[in-house]
Amino acid sequence: DAKTTQPPSMDCAEGRAANLPCNHSTISGNEYVYWYRQIHSQGPQYIIHGLKNNETNEMASLIITEDRKSSTLILPHATLRDTAVYYCIVSPPGRLTFGKGTHLIIQP
Amino acid sequence: DVKVTQSSRYLVKRTGEKVFLECVQDMDHENMFWYRQDPGLGLRLIYFSYDVKMKEKGDIPEGYSVSREKKERFSLILESASTNQTSMYLCASSQIGWGPNTGELFFGEGSRLTVL
Repeated sequence: DAKTTQPPSMDCAEGRAANLPCNHSTISGNEYVYWYRQIHSQGPQYIIHGLKNNETNEMASLIITEDRKSSTLILPHATLRDTAVYYCIVSPPGRLTFGKGTHLIIQP
Repeated sequence: DVKVTQSSRYLVKRTGEKVFLECVQDMDHENMFWYRQDPGLGLRLIYFSYDVKMKEKGDIPEGYSVSREKKERFSLILESASTNQTSMYLCASSQIGWGPNTGELFFGEGSRLTVL
């Protein structure tokens, strides 16, 4: 039973904002939304997480809908180095289950 | 900087051998995890530990065991390696508890195991 649904792949032009969607219609009240990414041949890297409110850090912004059933990760100015698989995970803190993610390809 | 170090980046073992994969973290994290990653299957949780000498099965524990004798070290053991255990193995750690900084997993670089 997948807890999140993400498109398998997306393209984005370099310098533009990359908006990665995630559906999590069965999210529970104590579950956070986490985003990780994995660049080829490396371990996954934490990007951002949130519970209810929108969040922003130096890497990205996370927009969570009011009903918490979906979210969007925004990379404001994508670069070629942002090409990676992006994972959206909903979970209480602790054990995280990774799905297949979205393969984001930044085009020059 | 948090560091999670896995002992070997690449290993080649023979079927039936006992294999140890070691992971050490330097941030005093309570939680430690072992995942494996295979093409088309994503990351799957094998075992995890919330404390010293404590272990919990993940989604695919069969054929594996773990050891956590010290807080900073979490070992994955393949008692008798088989070819279907050829994979990339990833160790991770995190803080325990609730709050704005919990849940963030720090991963090692991975250990690519080939079983012949």
